[in-house]
Amino acid sequence: DVKVTQSSRYLVKRTGEKVFLECVQDMDHENMFWYRQDPGLGLRLIYFSYDVKMKEKGDIPEGYSVSREKKERFSLILESASTNQTSMYLCASSSTSGSGPDTQYFGPGTRLTVL
Amino acid sequence: QKEVEQDPGPLSVPEGAIVSLNCTYSNSAFQYFMWYRQYSRKGPELLMYTYSSGNKEDGRFTAQVDKSSKYISLFIRDSQPSDSATYLCAMIKGGGNKLTFGTGTQLKVEL
Repeated sequence: DVKVTQSSRYLVKRTGEKVFLECVQDMDHENMFWYRQDPGLGLRLIYFSYDVKMKEKGDIPEGYSVSREKKERFSLILESASTNQTSMYLCASSSTSGSGPDTQYFGPGTRLTVL
Repeated sequence: QKEVEQDPGPLSVPEGAIVSLNCTYSNSAFQYFMWYRQYSRKGPELLMYTYSSGNKEDGRFTAQVDKSSKYISLFIRDSQPSDSATYLCAMIKGGGNKLTFGTGTQLKVEL
């Protein structure tokens, strides 16, 4: 079974703090993704990476950065947390297949509250 | 206008009912259409996907795509309380690997 784990289920931080969210997958997947999920807005892609040290901006990258130093690990960084970054953060991974869509496997999510 | 529209619900049905969940989309570049299920406090998991127009069946679940109307559906037959979850439609453009999600429909199947 594919397993995607995220470092924390719940996190509370103060405005202005630097926040690290970690994601690890155990299936040697090339692609990894960070989303945030908000009521009424669904899942929105923040950043994704298709290889080690490679990254591409998603739909809402402002205020976030990412790091992928090893294939299995993808980190999301909030340089200076703000209250509008309070959200559920979901990590996903996928393998580029020859046919059909790449199935994304999701972690359980981290609920981040910024006070 | 959002690329993918989905009624958020909540939708409440009795056990055994047939459930119909729907999404509309505006971009004709979408080629793969997926349905994810998300239980409370869990990440989404892929239920099934279809390519182009037509039907696909998997047990009690049937996915339907009508590209001419830009409309997709997920039908659940003989619904069970364990089907209570949020159902998200998602789509991928040809040649890409980025998913565009609907907002999700919350379903509750009552005993």
